[in-house]
Amino acid sequence: QKEVEQDPGPLSVPEGAIVSLNCTYSNSAFQYFMWYRQYSRKGPELLMYTYSSGNKEDGRFTAQVDKSSKYISLFIRDSQPSDSATYLCAMSVDQTGANNLFFGTGTRLTVIP
Amino acid sequence: DTEVTQTPKHLVMGMTNKKSLKCEQHMGHRAMYWYKQKAKKPPELMFVYSYEKLSINESVPSRFSPECPNSSLLNLHLHALQPEDSALYLCASSQVVSVLNTEAFFGQGTRLTVV
Repeated sequence: QKEVEQDPGPLSVPEGAIVSLNCTYSNSAFQYFMWYRQYSRKGPELLMYTYSSGNKEDGRFTAQVDKSSKYISLFIRDSQPSDSATYLCAMSVDQTGANNLFFGTGTRLTVIP
Repeated sequence: DTEVTQTPKHLVMGMTNKKSLKCEQHMGHRAMYWYKQKAKKPPELMFVYSYEKLSINESVPSRFSPECPNSSLLNLHLHALQPEDSALYLCASSQVVSVLNTEAFFGQGTRLTVV
């Protein structure tokens, strides 16, 4: 079983839609949960991170973590064509070492104008 | 300057060639990373340098040899690669070795093809 599971998509939505991206994981020791956005032929950029359970909001983006279900989500409100990218979830036991960072496979999102 | 610059952007090399990938940042970051990313796969960590010293080496084959000549530069020397090493090689940097560092920056990558 993989440490982190993520539906690879692709996911296509009309402009203005609410997008829900999800990951599940198996390691209950994960404490830090990240979402990266990667445009085609670019390196990934860190969008948001959450520590332990709970919600975090940043503009049109909301990250949710449910540790009891080992399930994390990223919601994008009022989606824009510029949001079209691959979204990667990542998780870590602690923040001290990049070697503890486990990525999902990424979900490719297309927002249609 | 908030960029991580990688050169070259594209590289095609034979299995007997020796080549080097270069990465440069001028943000004063003291941690630099090499990742390998195959198509439709997540990045895989290869090496981590912290304060110009190799701190993490994720059991990468010896045909990949990292070098950190100073705090702004990170090289990846390639020798006798295999076709399965074809991938996007990403460099990243951050102020400290921390996955939570929202100031972590990735370069655009070098797309390597081994023929």
